[in-house]
Amino acid sequence: ETGVTQTPRHLVMGMTNKKSLKCEQHLGHNAMYWYKQSAKKPLELMFVYSLEERVENNSVPSRFSPECPNSSHLFLHLHTLQPEDSALYLCASSAGTGVYGYTFGSGTRLTVV
Amino acid sequence: QKEVEQNSGPLSVPEGAIASLNCTYSDRGSQSFFWYRQYSGKSPELIMSIYSNGDKEDGRFTAQLNKASQYVSLLIRDSQPSDSATYLCAVNKNSGYALNFGKGTSLLVTP
Repeated sequence: ETGVTQTPRHLVMGMTNKKSLKCEQHLGHNAMYWYKQSAKKPLELMFVYSLEERVENNSVPSRFSPECPNSSHLFLHLHTLQPEDSALYLCASSAGTGVYGYTFGSGTRLTVV
Repeated sequence: QKEVEQNSGPLSVPEGAIASLNCTYSDRGSQSFFWYRQYSGKSPELIMSIYSNGDKEDGRFTAQLNKASQYVSLLIRDSQPSDSATYLCAVNKNSGYALNFGKGTSLLVTP
């Protein structure tokens, strides 16, 4: 495996379900990110982890819960989501801060029904 | 004022022409600038980064930065149908972790 891998690629869940998104980076980077991409909107930063410590989270509802057990893995736990949470969820990693840009994973297309 | 602004397009250019994509940003503390390409249904892919005023060329792509005017652009020479995608401008300010993205410009290269 190379780069940044995300699973699952597609997810359909009911509003009462609990599910998790997984991200793994194979680049030796030390920062990992969750972004949300909705139609007609810019990418929205949700969470940032550096060396397993959360360094930023941008007013994200508590129904989204991140977890970073080590510098290579990042999870996004989902529970009691709303239909407006349907979007493409992108994981990214960077070497250090955002100064050198990110490498994105392939994303998880989430549909909440 | 939006932090990063792009014309949403679509921008339509004939094959072989030069495509010019533009982006403005609001924070004068911004230091690093990026162009990402995103094909429909795919994730963003980094194609250019630029840090200093002036031009930076990589193959058919040229990024241009003017910090005084808070303006960054991407030129694609000899445009190909395979260049048809959405191009996202991203800005890193104050050397922090966050990249702020524009909404993207949709480019269509017609044969």
